[in-house]
Amino acid sequence: AQKITQTQPGMFVQEKEAVTLDCTYDTSDQSYGLFWYKQPSSGEMIFLIYQGSYDEQNATEGRYSLNFQKARKSANLVISASQLGDSAMYFCAMREGGGFNKFYFGSGTKLNVKP
Amino acid sequence: NAGVTQTPKFQVLKTGQSMTLQCAQDMNHEYMSWYRQDPGMGLRLIHYSVGAGITDQGEVPNGYNVSRSTTEDFPLRLLSAAPSQTSVYFCASSSNLGSGAGGEQFFGPGTRLTVL
Repeated sequence: AQKITQTQPGMFVQEKEAVTLDCTYDTSDQSYGLFWYKQPSSGEMIFLIYQGSYDEQNATEGRYSLNFQKARKSANLVISASQLGDSAMYFCAMREGGGFNKFYFGSGTKLNVKP
Repeated sequence: NAGVTQTPKFQVLKTGQSMTLQCAQDMNHEYMSWYRQDPGMGLRLIHYSVGAGITDQGEVPNGYNVSRSTTEDFPLRLLSAAPSQTSVYFCASSSNLGSGAGGEQFFGPGTRLTVL
């Protein structure tokens, strides 16, 4: 079974509007971490936001927030007030349990912000 | 701090050739990993290391070798390149935070490899 599922291969959003990128995960661990990374066309991987499995509050970092629904095993990324520079690939990732930080990545969502 | 560095940025190989992709980090991270990124498939773990002298296989280890003689360096060797190994390769490192929170991975800029 897929550890991380991103069901939106591509999305469009109008500049200044909010957009939600979906991510569901599969784990039987109690302790895990969820991450979102941005990959612009230049290719580098940029860390955006982190949510721990025991965190009770949804994580926020500037215009990024993570809508964490533990029972549904979903960790959606919300970008508020989209900017043209937000156009990129976005990857959801999970680190399971303790020990080595073995990361599993989803297949990504390509976001296009329209002016 | 330079963070995670990778060389070369681009490489073209012929089938059957061998080469080593270099990766170094200056953040004193215990954990280092190699991923490959293919279109539509996200990143897949090739090999990883939890410290100097300790390595293990990830999801797609066949055709690749690694070693970790120092904390800083984690080279990836292609033994006999095949066209199926055409991909973008990322090296990443992270600190050991045990079973707790955080521990994001820091990525290098990637190496774009083409095997003809």
